[in-house]
Amino acid sequence: SYVLTQPPSVSVAPGQTAKIACGGDNIGTKSVHWYQQRPGQAPVLVIYYDTDRPSGIPERFSGSNSGNSATLTISRAEAGDEADYYCQVWDNSRNQQVFGGGTKLTVL
Amino acid sequence: EVQLLESGGGMVQPGGSLRLSCAISGFTFSKYAMSWVRQAPGKGLEWVASISASGVSTYYADSVNGRFVISRANSGDTLHLQLNSLRREDTAVYYCAKVRLGIVEVANDHWGQGTLVTVSS
Repeated sequence: SYVLTQPPSVSVAPGQTAKIACGGDNIGTKSVHWYQQRPGQAPVLVIYYDTDRPSGIPERFSGSNSGNSATLTISRAEAGDEADYYCQVWDNSRNQQVFGGGTKLTVL
Repeated sequence: EVQLLESGGGMVQPGGSLRLSCAISGFTFSKYAMSWVRQAPGKGLEWVASISASGVSTYYADSVNGRFVISRANSGDTLHLQLNSLRREDTAVYYCAKVRLGIVEVANDHWGQGTLVTVSS
């Protein structure tokens, strides 16, 4: 089955840029979606189709995808960005959604 | 405003069954695919199942295939998940999610608040 690999944790200083990686075999050929989950809350879609932002998501959130890695970039990080972030793709070979293991972002 | 409200969670013994429901509002239910995603305590997100807008096509994670059944009632704007032969490892919060389009291969753009299923003797 298709596997997505994320670092367990990433730290960033307030106002700086955080990058969260999502690795997968030829992931650049797939559409990657990213979700933010704050403690005790349901997930929220922050990036879809690699780079698109849903309405209401700040421009500080951006995405890229190439080769074997996709990246979620959060510019000018704020305390409110502290959350778990998950990448997700559709595995066409098995007709299944696949989530990465999640990355805990700490803003300190 | 899109809203999804899950119900039906609770405690059940191993081997038992449970039926989850998700009532929706704020969008035309019959036009969108839907998904169930679960999260075990302290763990990450795990996709469970998806269903196309028409309900004709269904898809399952290997861990639940043959035990869970996803279905929808487009006339009643309701999504269901029938959980059978439950195991302790099925203990999780189950989220209902709306897919962005009528096909399942794209992102889940709205999520409910979840319903907790606990499998324990």
